[in-house]
Amino acid sequence: NAGVTQTPKFQVLKTGQSMTLQCAQDMNHEYMSWYRQDPGMGLRLIHYSVGAGITDQGEVPNGYNVSRSTTEDFPLRLLSAAPSQTSVYFCASSLGPSQESTDTQYFGPGTRLTVL
Amino acid sequence: AQKVTQAQTEISVVEKEDVTLDCVYETRDTTYYLFWYKQPPSGELVFLIRRNSFDEQNEISGRYSWNFQKSTSSFNFTITASQVVDSAVYFCALSEMMGYNFNKFYFGSGTKLNVKP
Repeated sequence: NAGVTQTPKFQVLKTGQSMTLQCAQDMNHEYMSWYRQDPGMGLRLIHYSVGAGITDQGEVPNGYNVSRSTTEDFPLRLLSAAPSQTSVYFCASSLGPSQESTDTQYFGPGTRLTVL
Repeated sequence: AQKVTQAQTEISVVEKEDVTLDCVYETRDTTYYLFWYKQPPSGELVFLIRRNSFDEQNEISGRYSWNFQKSTSSFNFTITASQVVDSAVYFCALSEMMGYNFNKFYFGSGTKLNVKP
């Protein structure tokens, strides 16, 4: 199992550019999430998904879109990048409601994004 | 208000010292879960422990131990005989149920532990 994978590892964008951060998991987890990590603020939830076709907003969704067409993939789209979106982005997955320890989240290695 | 507070921003100890990382949480739910994650300098987040709100037994795993006290809303983490490899940022997290039976995580701001040889 590769677990949760994220690409790219690093990215530099100019203000106004768009891009997609990729996230995939091979553990057959139902739930997937995107977080951003900023200094002194821990991790904050951007969007989450409880299964293919179902997504919802977290704490800081503005400026980001998500979709979940398959169980494995959960891409995060930045529509028009802004310097305030400079952060480290983590994707996470967890089993789902039908299993024990459903909420333990396993994280990908992160994507470091800089917006100039 | 912060749901999870880690008041210690940074701690430095010398190898072999014991160190306790504090975590205080706030929730109105009766069912919730608490977690600790480790983030080494390489940046990944490593799951350490999960504890549900009905289980107040302390847990020990090798040099790591956790003390959960509902009366003080605390879930503290102790490393005994610290080692240089323990140097990392440690996050405490609380999960609560949201819509769709999804458990939302609230992370503390992290405690950076420096273990010097």
